[in-house]
Amino acid sequence: GDSVTQMEGPVTLSEEAFLTINCTYTATGYPSLFWYVQYPGEGLQLLLKATKADDKGSNKGFEATYRKETTSFHLEKGSVQVSDSAVYFCALSDTGGFKTIFGAGTRLFVKA
Amino acid sequence: NAGVTQTPKFQVLKTGQSMTLQCAQDMNHNSMYWYRQDPGMGLRLIYYSASEGTTDKGEVPNGYNVSRLNKREFSLRLESAAPSQTSVYFCASMARPSEQYFGPGTRLTVT
Repeated sequence: GDSVTQMEGPVTLSEEAFLTINCTYTATGYPSLFWYVQYPGEGLQLLLKATKADDKGSNKGFEATYRKETTSFHLEKGSVQVSDSAVYFCALSDTGGFKTIFGAGTRLFVKA
Repeated sequence: NAGVTQTPKFQVLKTGQSMTLQCAQDMNHNSMYWYRQDPGMGLRLIYYSASEGTTDKGEVPNGYNVSRLNKREFSLRLESAAPSQTSVYFCASMARPSEQYFGPGTRLTVT
């Protein structure tokens, strides 16, 4: 079945460092891909998405490109801030379209 | 526009007690979902409702029941709570195959 694998955390960075969180997927068909973010004590919220191969999703300085050839959707940010400390989930819409498959999440700590 | 709301925010139950978690959305979405989140386990789908009048099991349905009361509301019931059901529960809704919108969660402890 469809699945998402993302790098284990926690990831600890200093402020203004470059961030990469790796995500790879297995799916039949052409799923949409998502990154969600969860701040402490809150529900998940959509960070960015891409609906077809080579699309780049971007929001709040974060970017991810839908790479069909490598089945990847890595999250990047050029300069992280303390306020980016959160848990990040990679996800895909399943073949049927009614369910979203989530990765296990990667916790990010950013130090001042 | 409140989005997805959940009640209660916190709950403590004794083993064997029952309770219902409430969820409502005001975005006119067709699909609604219940997840549980446990440390190191990510999100696991308990039940979902693709549209009003239908419900289906997810990955971890045992010990739970759901009701899609109308298009807005989707409740989750624990008939006989067990310590293994201690978790954070999230409700979500979705308009179409696309992004999901999450509620703020219910933290449940079963002693």
